[in-house]
Parts: sequence; structure tokens; C-alpha cells
Amino acid sequence: DAGVIQSPRHEVTEMGQEVTLRCKPISGHDYLFWYRQTMMQGLELLVYFNNKAVMDDSGMPKDRFSAKMPNASFSTLKIQPSEPRDSAVYFCASANQVYEQYFGPGTRLTVT
Amino acid sequence: AQKITQTQPGMFVQEKEAVTLDCTYDTSDPSYGLFWYKQPSSGEMIFLIYQGSYDQQNATEGRYSLNFQKARKSANLVISASQLGDSAMYFCAISPDGGATNKLIFGTGTLLAVQP
Repeated sequence: DAGVIQSPRHEVTEMGQEVTLRCKPISGHDYLFWYRQTMMQGLELLVYFNNKAVMDDSGMPKDRFSAKMPNASFSTLKIQPSEPRDSAVYFCASANQVYEQYFGPGTRLTVT
Repeated sequence: AQKITQTQPGMFVQEKEAVTLDCTYDTSDPSYGLFWYKQPSSGEMIFLIYQGSYDQQNATEGRYSLNFQKARKSANLVISASQLGDSAMYFCAISPDGGATNKLIFGTGTLLAVQP
């Protein structure tokens, strides 16, 4: 079975540009999470969805970040405009009613 | 609010020996879940083990076991018979609703190095 799929795996962009990260959760999973990992802040939750609805986005800087889940098999995390401090690894994870969250391979974002 | 504390930034262990990675937590929720994830140098996050706050027995998964002491609010990971492939970053995490259907709050991690 395919796991969580993220694209792109690596992204390098210039400050001020728009960046879109994509995630395909495991089929049948009702929950989708976006995490960010940096050396300074560690792993932190940005936003999560249940049945395509945002449940908690308190960790997401809303002035420049937006997350959408237009259908059960696709989610995007958009940053506009990007800043160097957004450089991080962004993980998408999905879960169903059992306890394990399955993580994708991550997208390494570098903003210059 | 929930919080996870991992006080060991780095640990060394000899191959084939057991190692304990410490994790303490703080929560006021009556029901919560505790998790351990492994992150090798390749970067992916690998689920290892889960303990529910109402579970009477300590969780075990192969060579991994979770030493759950509820009164002390600790959830230490024990890896038995360490292997070179166990060298990785290990994260403890807590979820307020007892399962993975809510957000995970992670600790800062412990870097484990297994020596031959």
C-alpha cells in the first residue's frame, strides 16, 4: 500500500515567492496533519483536518500560510510570501480512528 | 496545555546492550496517549510504540517497550539488544485525546548513537 505522498521533496525558492506543498494521505484516513520541523523549534503542528474540515490551525501563521483540503485525497499548504525563516522540513501525516499517525517523507523547503 | 520533556540530548550505547530514553510529560487531561517516533538520518518519521493513559500494562513492540509510570508522569522508551540501525533521533510525543486523531506535541528529541 502506498503511504503518505508529499511533493515536492525539495524546494528552493527566493524570498517573496509563493510556495505550494502538496500531500496525498493514505486512502481511508479521515485525519490529515501538517507539521513543520526546524532546529530551533523542533516539530510543531501547523494545522490539522478531520473529514476535510480544519480542526485546529492555531500553530499556523495565518498572515502568510494557508492550508486547504478540497477532497479526501489531497491537501495543500501554501506560503505567500515566503521568508527565509520558513526554511524547514514540512511533514504531512494522516490517521484513521486508530492511534498511529503515518508520516510522509517530508518536503525540505529552503527560502533564500 | 500539554508538554513533553526529553532531558537527554544525546546517548551512547554499545551494540547488543539495552538503553533507556527518558520522557516526562505534563498534562491536565484525564485521557491522553503517549507515543515514540524514530527519525533516522534519512529524515522520515517512524512510529514505534503507543501507550494509552488508561492502559494497565506497559506497551511492548518487539525490542521496544514503554516504561509507563503514571504517577511520575514518565514514559521512558526501552530498546533491548541495540542494533547499529537503531542509531537515530527519538521523539516522545503526547496526544490529548488518547489517540492519534488529535494533534501530537513532541519533545525535543534524543539522539541515540549505537557503537559497535
